[in-house]
Amino acid sequence: QQQVKQSPQSLIVQKGGISIINCAYENTAFDYFPWYQQFPGKGPALLIAIRPDVSEKKEGRFTISFNKSAKQFSLHIMDSQPGDSATYFCAASYQGAQKLVFGQGTRLTINP
Amino acid sequence: GAGVSQSPSNKVTEKGKDVELRCDPISGHTALYWYRQSLGQGLEFLIYFQGNSAPDKSGLPSDRFSAERTGGSVSTLTIQRTQQEDSAVYLCASSLVGQGSAEAFFGQGTRLTVV
Repeated sequence: QQQVKQSPQSLIVQKGGISIINCAYENTAFDYFPWYQQFPGKGPALLIAIRPDVSEKKEGRFTISFNKSAKQFSLHIMDSQPGDSATYFCAASYQGAQKLVFGQGTRLTINP
Repeated sequence: GAGVSQSPSNKVTEKGKDVELRCDPISGHTALYWYRQSLGQGLEFLIYFQGNSAPDKSGLPSDRFSAERTGGSVSTLTIQRTQQEDSAVYLCASSLVGQGSAEAFFGQGTRLTVV
């Protein structure tokens, strides 16, 4: 119930391509879905977040798509750049839980 | 400081020794979290502090692990009788309110190696 399943574990995309990372959850009480970006040797940092009252949120080249009925959400990185190479974590929580449940992470490599 | 500060950045210890890891959260943040990240793995929740409430210790893997937060600010994670499987990066995060609704800011972590 508390798990967030993330796929793929690793992803290689050519520069300029679209990177897509998917997450699925079981707990329908979740109401906050952030994505975190982590560079080697650094802590994760919030990239973009969505709540289930909208189906899509876009910030620059980064878009979250949210499918409430399927209990899935995904991160799309348009025009992927080598600087986007990092590990990406999806997460979920609800106000009562007061802690984030993280997916297992996706190591993204953008080839120049 | 401007961000969450953790010390030491690296710690090598012998199996069986005790270690203390420190976290200085962002000033004014009421919530503080500890996570563990093993090589190639995700983020494993360890413990959560929020204001004066009793901490959520549900993620601590064994009774060798403990944490405290003094004065609602600095936190120390203590691992007693360290084992090789404790080797990981320990991350601290803080936020203004419960993480469920606000951004969590992470420190750079402490890389613990038990030899």
